[in-house]
Order: sequence, then structure tokens, then C-alpha cells
Amino acid sequence: AQSVSQHNHHVILSEAASLELGCNYSYGGTVNLFWYVQYPGQHLQLLLKYFSGDPLVKGIKGFEAEFIKSKFSFNLRKPSVQWSDTAEYFCAVNEGSGTYKYIFGTGTRLKVLA
Amino acid sequence: DAGVTQSPTHLIKTRGQQVTLRCSPKSGHDTVSWYQQALGQGPQFIFQYYEEEERQRGNFPDRFSGHQFPNYSSELNVNALLLGDSALYLCASTLLQGARGYTFGSGTRLTVV
Repeated sequence: AQSVSQHNHHVILSEAASLELGCNYSYGGTVNLFWYVQYPGQHLQLLLKYFSGDPLVKGIKGFEAEFIKSKFSFNLRKPSVQWSDTAEYFCAVNEGSGTYKYIFGTGTRLKVLA
Repeated sequence: DAGVTQSPTHLIKTRGQQVTLRCSPKSGHDTVSWYQQALGQGPQFIFQYYEEEERQRGNFPDRFSGHQFPNYSSELNVNALLLGDSALYLCASTLLQGARGYTFGSGTRLTVV
């Protein structure tokens, strides 16, 4: 069965530090890839998505992610985090071949210290 | 504002009871999916409804059932509640079953005691 791994469960950074959150998936075929963010007390919001084309995708709030097919990875990056980036981040994969479900990772809790 | 409206926000039920959760999709969306998010876990796909039919189902028992109405709103029903059903239940909507970016609601927190 397809799975999504987020190896960093908790990350603590100081403001202005750079961020990279790992995401690996197990499916070998065509995939659609997503990063969602959940701020405290709020709903899941789409940060960015990859379907095809340029493997470096840019999302909202200065986030970007790189799809590396050979590594089955879709890591999330931000050059300089802010206190307001404190949230939980979820990577999700859709197999993209007539299936509609997303498979989510277990999430990474990011805390940014002011 | 999520655009997807779920009710109620919180619910406490007793083991063995039945529960119905409701979802109104974002305006313009016609497809609704339901997810279960246990504490400390990522959301897990329960099923998707499109054109009032269940189109795809995840690994959940038949105790979990749903319905979609002509106005695209949806219900999730869980029978014979177990303690393990305690979770945040999320509704997500999109257009034409498009898997290219769901909009999620804030969820219903179900506690089974």
C-alpha cells in the first residue's frame, strides 16, 4: 500500500532560520503532491501543489517544494521562517490515476521562536 | 473562512450509539470527501461522494456510511460507535472529483466515551 513518510515530527527553529521538512512517498507511478498547513485552531490550508512540469514549485507565504522523482521526495523549504509559521505541516500524495483519495503523512509540528 | 462548513464542531457520544456529521461544500464545488484524523496522525480517507453516489472508499468498516444530497451537501454516519472512533472528522470539497486541491473544513471533533 502507498505510504507517505514525514520523518521530522517536531521541529523548533528561531526566527530567520531556514526550514526544510522532508516528505517521502512509496508509490512508483504518476503522483500529484501537496503540502498543507494547519495553524493552531484552524483548518487545513493548501500551501502548494505539484502535478507536472517544473519540479520546483512555489507556494504561498514564501514556501517552495522540490519534487525529486528518483528519490520519491517532495521536501518543503522556506529560506527564512517567521514566528507566524508556527503550525503543523502535512505532506499528501494522490496517485493521480483515477483515484481521488489523498494519503497524508503524520505531520510535522513546527515551532518558531521569536 | 474555510468555505467548507461542518457541523457540529464538537460532539460527545457513548459507545454503541450512532452519530451523524454534516458538511456543506465550498460554493461551486460538487464533490465531497470525508477524512478521519486521529490524534497525532494525518488525515485518513474514508470515502468520496460525487453525483450523490459513493465513488471511492478507504479502509473503513461498513459502520461508516454517507450520503450526498442534490445540493451537494453531505452527511457522514457512524453506527455502533467504538472508543477508537474518537477523532477529528474532516470534510473536503472540490469540483468534478478533481484531485488537484481539496478545500478542507475545520472538522467535527467526536469523542466517544
